[in-house]
Amino acid sequence: EPEVTQTPSHQVTQMGQEVILRCVPISNHLYFYWYRQILGQKVEFLVSFYNNEISEKSEIFDDQFSVERPDGSNFTLKIRSTKLEDSAMYFCASSDQGQGDNEQFFGPGTRLTVL
Amino acid sequence: AQSVAQPEDQVNVAEGNPLTVKCTYSVSGNPYLFWYVQYPNRGLQFLLKYITGDNLVKGSYGFEAEFNKSQTSFHLKKPSALVSDSALYFCAVRDRGSYIPTFGRGTSLIVHP
Repeated sequence: EPEVTQTPSHQVTQMGQEVILRCVPISNHLYFYWYRQILGQKVEFLVSFYNNEISEKSEIFDDQFSVERPDGSNFTLKIRSTKLEDSAMYFCASSDQGQGDNEQFFGPGTRLTVL
Repeated sequence: AQSVAQPEDQVNVAEGNPLTVKCTYSVSGNPYLFWYVQYPNRGLQFLLKYITGDNLVKGSYGFEAEFNKSQTSFHLKKPSALVSDSALYFCAVRDRGSYIPTFGRGTSLIVHP
């Protein structure tokens, strides 16, 4: 069964450093998403991406964040200058359609720890 | 605006007993409702969804959920719990005009042998 994969599983970084979280969505999916979950809190939407551009983003997704689909398979989330409060679990998801009743398929997550 | 509440951080149930994980929601229009499960070190896995039609929705692994519009609830149920059902369960709602779901905080289900 196809699945979304994410690397690394755990990333430790120093405050102020740049990190790139990587995701490989399901191959025939066209819509891509990033979510985060701070420990003990809700899963929060960050950004959605379709046709090589951001289609929607939340208030959390400020100028420190960027997303990119550098090739036909990867989907990346970059945090330019990490802050302590960026420590969270980051989930990538993909779907074959945007609207409608389709479900999103999630990756296993990357745990980001900012020291 | 849309929101989801999962009032229980943890639910404990004995194996073989029925289980219920509660979820209430708020949306401006008619909702799409979802349940996801997360096993340790795994991503969120889709369990079931309510779109329209029958209020009782059946999903994976013997789970079902009942949509109650008057109570704005979408509780997850299973007639007979298994130890392997122990995991984190997330309810999510999406307004039909949006493709971005809002998730609850999750409920940890612990099934005791």
